[in-house]
Amino acid sequence: EAQVTQNPRYLITVTGKKLTVTCSQNMNHEYMSWYRQDPGLGLRQIYYSMNVEVTDKGDVPEGYKVSRKEKRNFPLILESPSPNQTSLYFCASRMLAGPSEQYFGPGTRLTVT
Amino acid sequence: KQEVTQIPAALSVPEGENLVLNCSFTDSAIYNLQWFRQDPGKGLTSLLLIQSSQREQTSGRLNASLDKSSGRSTLYIAASQPGDSATYLCAVEGGSYIPTFGRGTSLIVHP
Repeated sequence: EAQVTQNPRYLITVTGKKLTVTCSQNMNHEYMSWYRQDPGLGLRQIYYSMNVEVTDKGDVPEGYKVSRKEKRNFPLILESPSPNQTSLYFCASRMLAGPSEQYFGPGTRLTVT
Repeated sequence: KQEVTQIPAALSVPEGENLVLNCSFTDSAIYNLQWFRQDPGKGLTSLLLIQSSQREQTSGRLNASLDKSSGRSTLYIAASQPGDSATYLCAVEGGSYIPTFGRGTSLIVHP
């Protein structure tokens, strides 16, 4: 089954404690991205990647890091989480060639206290 | 900067009604427009993707149209059902690979 998976689905952590949210897709997509969704602000892109070792900033990259060492994986790293990073996070992927549908993961709800 | 607006923000209708959800965008230089459905606490599910060269796309009871020159897209849902209750989002993508999402229309279809 074609899918995007994220782990963990729920995470409560404290300010400053480094964390990683994993994302994996099994569709051999070149393009992967991370979004955060906040009430009243909608979905905003954090980072995206067009292929292995190629990453770029989205609209709200501050406080986040990503890496793309393998085509199927695109982890999101918060080196020093802060309460304003409490949000619902989504990973997505799609083919790069031509207009193509984005496939979204189930989401990770992060709370930073 | 691209801005995407969805109207109405919320909609409650009885089962069986035909619905129109609206999405407008400020920059007509788009590459594609995609409609999504989001159920509470879940991820987004793609419904329809319209390329910039297309005028509409259909899937089952759903029909999406695109008018680039006026910066508008509509999602038409025929014969609505309670299972259609969800939030519907549109997203436009230009040449930057950074899509811009609207804030969604929250739809409730009651029996």
